[in-house]
Amino acid sequence: GAVVSQHPSWVICKSGTSVKIECRSLDFQATTMFWYRQFPKQSLMLMATSNEGSKATYEQGVEKDKFLINHASLTLSTLTVTSAHPEDSSFYICSARDLAGDDNEQFFGPGTRLTVL
Amino acid sequence: AQSVTQLDSHVSVSEGTPVLLRCNYSSSYSPSLFWYVQHPNKGLQLLLKYTSAATLVKGINGFEAEFKKSETSFHLTKPSAHMSDAAEYFCVVSPSIGAGNMLTFGGGTRLMVKP
Repeated sequence: GAVVSQHPSWVICKSGTSVKIECRSLDFQATTMFWYRQFPKQSLMLMATSNEGSKATYEQGVEKDKFLINHASLTLSTLTVTSAHPEDSSFYICSARDLAGDDNEQFFGPGTRLTVL
Repeated sequence: AQSVTQLDSHVSVSEGTPVLLRCNYSSSYSPSLFWYVQHPNKGLQLLLKYTSAATLVKGINGFEAEFKKSETSFHLTKPSAHMSDAAEYFCVVSPSIGAGNMLTFGGGTRLMVKP
């Protein structure tokens, strides 16, 4: 149980285009999902907290107009990188907290590698 | 406020020898503590977690960690390393209450296992 999927697993796009990444909780409901960014050989940095039915909460320094988050259902959150540039190339990982489970545990997706040319 | 320090960015051991990955934390609350493993280009897999029950926590793949409040440590150990243990390991802290249960990650420790 407690599986989180991400789609796509990797994407290459041209500079200036927008890319959407999906995060799904497959066998549980998640009112809260989290989006992280990981640069090579570095730790995960929280970008934003996605709450079902309300606006996301962004961490300091993360541009909300560039990284659009939508959490339309209890099993799906999307991150759209708008007008992507090479510096947005990174590994994006989502996690989800089980509505019915341990408050402190997050289940992580397999990540999406974004490369912007 | 909470923070996590992983004392070694790289650890190298020989196959069959013990593994010790060190983690110190600070937290304003009674924390929950986790160890996650990440293989190259993969997501994070939970190895074990401490949530104020037994201080010695056993996880998957033979790993265990001991919560020592007096030392604010949560070191990860394994008696005998296997080649498949080579990966990046993250120590993570979360407050048991409040702050939206946000996770704070350590900087990571890359474990290398030599044959």
